[in-house]
Amino acid sequence: DVVMTQSPLSLPVTLGQPASISCRSSQSLVYSDGNTYLNWFQQRPGQSPRRLIYKVSNRDSGVPDRFSGSGSGTDFTLKISRVEAEDVGVYYCMQATHWPYSFGQGTKLEIK
Amino acid sequence: EVQLVESGGGLVKPGGSLRLSCAASGFTFSNYGMNWVRQAPGKGLEWVSSISSGSSYIYYADSVKGRFTISRDNAKNSLYLQMNSLRAEDTAVYYCVRDYENFDLWGRGTLVPVSS
Repeated sequence: DVVMTQSPLSLPVTLGQPASISCRSSQSLVYSDGNTYLNWFQQRPGQSPRRLIYKVSNRDSGVPDRFSGSGSGTDFTLKISRVEAEDVGVYYCMQATHWPYSFGQGTKLEIK
Repeated sequence: EVQLVESGGGLVKPGGSLRLSCAASGFTFSNYGMNWVRQAPGKGLEWVSSISSGSSYIYYADSVKGRFTISRDNAKNSLYLQMNSLRAEDTAVYYCVRDYENFDLWGRGTLVPVSS
């Protein structure tokens, strides 16, 4: 099974400052069709998860452009260029290349 | 409005059974694969099961294999999760999730506490 490892698990950030979350997989996430099915989700307090990024770097509709995803193979990153108060929550990476699908442990972003 | 609404959660005793439902609206349900994802209280997300649009392909997490059964009724725009032999560790909020380019639409979840 593919293990997804996020770091850091806790991320205190000052408003207006950048933030970065790393996600590493135990195997390459490149699928036989050439796509890499690595996704990022945000879960605000008391809410359901919401997808932010799919296939490494594709931003979902309505997601602010301060969020960006990058990476390849086994090493991926979610970046927030300038953190806003509404970004508080837990962020998860998830791979959908290999069965069983798997999520990272989650990174809790808080305002310093 | 495009949405997924779960129902059927509630307190159940260890060893008991429960059937969760997910009602889809605002999109052509039969065109999409669907998933169940759960979240234990205060914990992270765990993928549970997936079913293809026509029910040809079904997958389960090892933690629920042999106990849970995913199914769908495209005529009723509904997804189901039959949960048998429930354990305390199955206690979680269960989310219904649409699979367009991976998990693009989530329901609000339904809570399943397993306790005597």
